[in-house]
Amino acid sequence: DTAVSQTPKYLVTQMGNDKSIKCEQNLGHDTMYWYKQDSKKFLKIMFSYNNKELIINETVPNRFSPKSPDKAHLNLHINSLELGDSAVYFCASSPKPNYEQYFGPGTRLTVT
Amino acid sequence: AQRVTQPEKLLSVFKGAPVELKCNYSYSGSPELFWYVQYSRQRLQLLLRHISRESIKGFTADLNKGETSFHLKKPFAQEEDSAMYYCALSGYNKLIFGAGTRLAVHP
Repeated sequence: DTAVSQTPKYLVTQMGNDKSIKCEQNLGHDTMYWYKQDSKKFLKIMFSYNNKELIINETVPNRFSPKSPDKAHLNLHINSLELGDSAVYFCASSPKPNYEQYFGPGTRLTVT
Repeated sequence: AQRVTQPEKLLSVFKGAPVELKCNYSYSGSPELFWYVQYSRQRLQLLLRHISRESIKGFTADLNKGETSFHLKKPFAQEEDSAMYYCALSGYNKLIFGAGTRLAVHP
């Protein structure tokens, strides 16, 4: 009964490829997020959706496109992967914006 | 602008020693603050929130509005406390995280 789950856990791919990461939460939360954690462990928000609507879009390249088919899912699609995209990507959810967030296990993306 | 500052990248202590992980914030409104912990290769977990004033795993944190601080404290560190600790500020529909402090507790 995992609260926030992500697939895959590990993703190794070559530059130029397109890949997707999926996130699902079963907490009944309205709000979901994507974060990027770099090699120095710095955590930066990328996107946030509230009730399937985009409410936060930080300065992220257009190659990154989130999609929220319903409140329980927020997927992240990345086009034309670059070496600098290598990081751990965390999904999170919260009951409402500004509330405490619950994190997924992370997806470790390695671009070679 | 809202900001969270964790001045120490690494805090190294011996088992049984007191621990204080510093967090300072900048926010124009009434802040809501959290501490999150990330054990090695695991997900971030909520450790504390200032509004509940609770003690979790022996950790406490007090919001000091005058000093704009929310330092995390534990009187006696344990080896299993070794982890990354993030202070976070809630505002403008998101959490703003500090850069994190790695706590290393040595036997």
